[in-house]
Amino acid sequence: EAAVTQSPRNKVAVTGGKVTLSCNQTNNHNNMYWYRQDTGHGLRLIHYSYGAGSTEKGDIPDGYKASRPSQENFSLILELATPSQTSVYFCASGVYEQYFGPGTRLTVL
Amino acid sequence: GQQVQQSPTSLVLQEGENAELQCNFSTSLNSMQWFYQRPGGSLVSVFYNPSGTKQSGRLTSTTVIKERRSSLHISSSQITDSGTYLCAMETGGNYKPTFGKGTSLVVHP
Repeated sequence: EAAVTQSPRNKVAVTGGKVTLSCNQTNNHNNMYWYRQDTGHGLRLIHYSYGAGSTEKGDIPDGYKASRPSQENFSLILELATPSQTSVYFCASGVYEQYFGPGTRLTVL
Repeated sequence: GQQVQQSPTSLVLQEGENAELQCNFSTSLNSMQWFYQRPGGSLVSVFYNPSGTKQSGRLTSTTVIKERRSSLHISSSQITDSGTYLCAMETGGNYKPTFGKGTSLVVHP
């Protein structure tokens, strides 16, 4: 069974603070993805990766950085968090068929 | 760019009725996947179906590439089918999926 985990599951941050969201997968998939989901916008791709050391910009990369230090781990970094980044963030792994993590609910005050 | 249109945006059924959800795309595709999501929950893969017809229990997915559409049929709906159904497609071979905005399904007893 494919497994994708995310941490933390919930996070409250202050405006201007740094936030790191972590994702781990045990599927040995090369590709990993970070999405955010907002009412009215659906699921939008922020960054993705083809493998360790690679990161690519998705459709809405502004304000976000990504890091892929290993096959298993993919992080999303908000260097200067803003209230507009309040959202639910999902990580996924897989190439054509995707497997999703449980999500992280981020609130930026 | 790639566009994915889902219809209807919402659907209300009485238990036992059938549902037909549609996903239309503007370009040729390499992959098509249907997901189910409970409110506040993660995305659970229902079907990975880049072409043809697949069935699992009361659910059937049909993807017709030439007509640029994919459908998800739910027969004899149950209250537990309530939630949001999203489709996702990948077209360019760059493994960058695009999601539809989803169909919200409510099944009443």
